[in-house]
Amino acid sequence: AQSVTQPDIHITVSEGASLELRCNYSYGATPYLFWYVQSPGQGLQLLLKYFSGDTLVQGIKGFEAEFKRSQSSFNLRKPSVHWSDAAEYFCAVGANQAGTALIFGKGTTLSVSS
Amino acid sequence: DAMVIQNPRYQVTQFGKPVTLSCSQTLNHNVMYWYQQKSSQAPKLLFHYYDKDFNNEADTPDNFQSRRPNTSFCFLDIRSPGLGDAAMYLCATSREYGGQPQHFGDGTRLSIL
Repeated sequence: AQSVTQPDIHITVSEGASLELRCNYSYGATPYLFWYVQSPGQGLQLLLKYFSGDTLVQGIKGFEAEFKRSQSSFNLRKPSVHWSDAAEYFCAVGANQAGTALIFGKGTTLSVSS
Repeated sequence: DAMVIQNPRYQVTQFGKPVTLSCSQTLNHNVMYWYQQKSSQAPKLLFHYYDKDFNNEADTPDNFQSRRPNTSFCFLDIRSPGLGDAAMYLCATSREYGGQPQHFGDGTRLSIL
């Protein structure tokens, strides 16, 4: 069965420090992978996606993620965190299969300290 | 410009009083989804439509119904809301299934008195 695991429920990072949010997936074939961000009281905004090709993908707001097939991981990174990055981050996996929807991880809450 | 629009942003209803949440899209996407999201949890998929083909998740309560009268609009009806139905309800669209990225609205926060 497909699944997504985000091992860290809550992370606190100092402003200006680097960030890495972890995501592990379980899927039989090459997955489609996504990172979404959700600010309080808002919907989810797509940060970046991986379908195929280059395993390092660039997204909006200075985020990037690297697909590592051998580790079944798709970790999100940012070299320098800003206070406005404080939010909930969701990793999701999709299948190239009709009738299927995305499967979301439980999310990681990012707090940014000054 | 908002592409997935949910109305209202905040909805208060009484225990047991039917309520309808609405979603519209300007993306002309084939697929529309409804999610329920409780505090500090991941979105939980309730239903999805491909055009007018309806797909109900197995654990979606019977109390929840949905309608999609045309490509642009989709409604979530809660027939007899209970206290446990208080949540954020998110609408999303995607061009196709098959792992396409979903575009979300800002959600409707439902409170039950």
